[in-house]
Parts: sequence; structure tokens; C-alpha cells
Amino acid sequence: EPEVTQTPSHQVTQMGQEVILRCVPISNHLYFYWYRQILGQKVEFLVSFYNNEISEKSEIFDDQFSVERPDGSNFTLKIRSTKLEDSAMYFCASKGQGRVYEQYFGPGTRLTVT
Amino acid sequence: AQTVTQSQPEMSVQEAETVTLSCTYDTSESNYYLFWYKQPPSRQMILVIRQEAYKQQNATENRFSVNFQKAAKSFSLKISDSQLGDTAMYFCAFMKQPSNTGKLIFGQGTTLQVKP
Repeated sequence: EPEVTQTPSHQVTQMGQEVILRCVPISNHLYFYWYRQILGQKVEFLVSFYNNEISEKSEIFDDQFSVERPDGSNFTLKIRSTKLEDSAMYFCASKGQGRVYEQYFGPGTRLTVT
Repeated sequence: AQTVTQSQPEMSVQEAETVTLSCTYDTSESNYYLFWYKQPPSRQMILVIRQEAYKQQNATENRFSVNFQKAAKSFSLKISDSQLGDTAMYFCAFMKQPSNTGKLIFGQGTTLQVKP
């Protein structure tokens, strides 16, 4: 069965450094998402992406964040200058066009900013 | 703005017994979907069950069923005949309809431990 994959599973970075989190969505999906979960808190929506552009973003998704679909398979989240409070689990998800409600999630990348 | 609340951080149940996980939500929307997602340890979140707000009938998927109380804005998940493989974090989620983006709003999650 097709799966959403994410790399790396764990990323440790120093404050102020740039990080890129990578996701490979399910191949025929058209909608892509990033969510994050700070330890002990809710899973929060960050951004949705469709037709090569951002369709919605949350207040969390400020100028330090960007997303890109550089080729036909990858979907990336870049944090330009990481802060301690960016430490969280980041989940990628994708959705096809037919079943409009179901999102398929990746296993997550744990980002630790020191 | 919509909010989703799961007030039970942790629950446990004996194998083969029934357990109910609670979820409440707040919205001014009249049309929406509600979901329960399951996240086993170190694995992907997977969709367990969904409910369309316009449907009065409660959704059922094998051993999983919901009790959807629209007026009370309550959406609980019942797991019957609990199995060890049901051990996971369970998230309640909301999506308004129509939605151009499919954004999900999640609750805090409930960790369920099924004991042998």
C-alpha cells in the first residue's frame, strides 16, 4: 500500500541554523500539508499546498517557513533560522482528489533545536 | 475559529473489553467532517473513522463506532472487543465543509493502552 515517507526521522540542529524537512507524498496525490506537534501539545496545522502554491497557512507559518515541491515527488518544509520553540514533531500529509476527506500522514520528523 | 478538545490524556482497557474516548468541539459551521485518527507508537497516523455532520446516523467501522451528538458538539469513539494492536494515541479532528484546503484541526490526543 502506498505510504507517505519523511526524512530524516530525527534532526538535531543549533538555533539559528536552516533546516529542510523532506516528505515524499503518495504519488497521485494533489494536496499536501505540514502539521507540527510540540511535545505534549496539540497537532497544529501549518500549511497546505495545491497546484504549486500555498492554499492556506496558519499564523505559525511566518516568514521563517517556506514550502516547496522541487520535483514531481518531494515536498519540503524549510525553516530558515530555527528557534528553540521550533522543536517539535513535524508531520507531512497528502490527499488525493477523489476522496476529499482522507489525508494520509507520514511518520513524522522529530526536530530538536539546541 | 474551531477548537477540538480531548479531555482524557491517557486511558487503559483490558483486552476484549470496550472503551470510549471523548471529544468535544466548538464551531459555528453547519457543515463539517469529524474524524478519529490512530497513531501507533513510531508509526503513521491512520484514519479510523469519519462522520459527516449532516448525517444523523452514527458511523461504524467494524469494532469502531462513534456517538455523534451535534447539538452537544460531542464526538466520542467506542472501541469494542479491544485488541493489543489498538494500543496507540488517538486524535479527534475537525474539518469544515466545504474546504478548499482540507485543513484538519486536531485535539490534544488520548493515549490508549490495551492490557493483556
